[in-house]
Amino acid sequence: NAGVMQNPRHLVRRRGQEARLRCSPMKGHSHVYWYRQLPEEGLKFMVYLQKENIIDESGMPKERFSAEFPKEGPSILRIQQVVRGDSAAYFCASSPSRQGGLEAFFGQGTRLTVV
Amino acid sequence: RKEVEQDPGPFNVPEGATVAFNCTYSNSASQSFFWYRQDCRKEPKLLMSVYSSGNEDGRFTAQLNRASQYISLLIRDSKLSDSATYLCVVNSGGTASKLTFGTGTRLQVTL
Repeated sequence: NAGVMQNPRHLVRRRGQEARLRCSPMKGHSHVYWYRQLPEEGLKFMVYLQKENIIDESGMPKERFSAEFPKEGPSILRIQQVVRGDSAAYFCASSPSRQGGLEAFFGQGTRLTVV
Repeated sequence: RKEVEQDPGPFNVPEGATVAFNCTYSNSASQSFFWYRQDCRKEPKLLMSVYSSGNEDGRFTAQLNRASQYISLLIRDSKLSDSATYLCVVNSGGTASKLTFGTGTRLQVTL
C-alpha cells in the first residue's frame, strides 16, 4: 500500500517559469491538502481539495497559484511565473475523510528552488 | 497572535534525560490535536494523537488541557534517535477541516 506520492522530489525553475507539482494520495483517500514550508518556518496550509472540488483555498496566494484534483489522476499544484520567494518545500497530505479526528499522511515533499 | 505557539528551542539534552515540550493554541473551537515529528528535510510524520484524558505511547506521554488551551509532550529516557523537530498540530475545526502547525520545537539529544 503505497503512501502519498509526490513528484518531482526536487524541482529547479528559473524566475518566470511555471512549476507543476504532483501528488497522488494514498489508496482510498479522497481528501488532499497542500502545505508549504519556507526555510526555517513551520508548515502553512495552502489548499484543501476533494475530487473535482476546491473546499478551502484560504491559504493560497491570490495570484500565480492554483490547484486542482481531477476525477482521474493526481492533484496538481501549479505556480505560474515563479519568483525567488516561491522557493520552499511543498508537502501534500491525504486523509480518508475530513480531518476531524484523523491524522493526515504526508508525502515526501517537492523542494522547489527558483534561480 | 499565532494560532499555535511553540518554543522553538533548541532543547539540548543528554541521552536518558526527560524533556517536555509545551504548546498553546488560540482557537477554542479546535477539535483534535496531534504531535508530529519532522526530521531534517523530511516530511512530518504522526507521533501521536492527544486526548483530553492524556495518553501514553512507550516513552512518550501527551496531555491536553482544553480549559487552558495547552498541549504538552513528555519524552522519557531520551535516545539519540529522538533528535528531530516536534510539531504541535491542531485541527482548527470549521466546515473545511485543516491542520494548523506550530513552527516546531527542535530537540537535540547528545551522548
